[in-house]
Amino acid sequence: SAVISQKPSRDICQRGTSLTIQCQVDSQVTMMFWYRQQPGQSLTLIATANQGSEATYESGFVIDKFPISRPNLTFSTLTVSNMSPEDSSIYLCSVDRGQETQYFGPGTRLLVL
Amino acid sequence: GENVEQHPSTLSVQEGDSAVIKCTYSDSASNYFPWYKQELGKRPQLIIDIRSNVGEKKDQRIAVTLNKTAKHFSLHITETQPEDSAVYFCAASRPTGGFKTIFGAGTRLFVKA
Repeated sequence: SAVISQKPSRDICQRGTSLTIQCQVDSQVTMMFWYRQQPGQSLTLIATANQGSEATYESGFVIDKFPISRPNLTFSTLTVSNMSPEDSSIYLCSVDRGQETQYFGPGTRLLVL
Repeated sequence: GENVEQHPSTLSVQEGDSAVIKCTYSDSASNYFPWYKQELGKRPQLIIDIRSNVGEKKDQRIAVTLNKTAKHFSLHITETQPEDSAVYFCAASRPTGGFKTIFGAGTRLFVKA
């Protein structure tokens, strides 16, 4: 498995502001993903973070709202922009260590007031 | 579109009994089927997976079966213990150049002592 860390672990933010979440892996990985998990719900893929190119977004998610960076093979950031209470959720990064097996970070619990 | 249905949404069993969770998927290109366990407040953890060239896989008290023709796969937990209580997610993954994983809605398992 991989050692994956996320910062911050939780935050409380005011509506209209933005929050950047960091995901760090202990070794190089090919693929990194960002998911959202709303309270009591399943995991919804936001985007695939591509190293050296623009992220690939899923239907319903756009770059202006969720800009993603992936400067190298061990690090990625997800920004939640112009937040509203509907953005309150847990945001998880995951990595693929080979053969499509994903390991998840500990998550960032976001509350927007 | 792509979809993974999971049943039941809630399952309550007596300690020592077996638990079965069933999933169906829609995308015939799916070829990898992981199962995750998520305890309250924690990240999803991979517990077992199966690939499309295999019909069954077992790991101690946990087994997974796959019927590619019917697009069904199931998780079987035998001799359940209170520590098996958690939310279980099935998922289906297909190659996309990289790959893309769709998660089921989750099953909340309660094991009563």
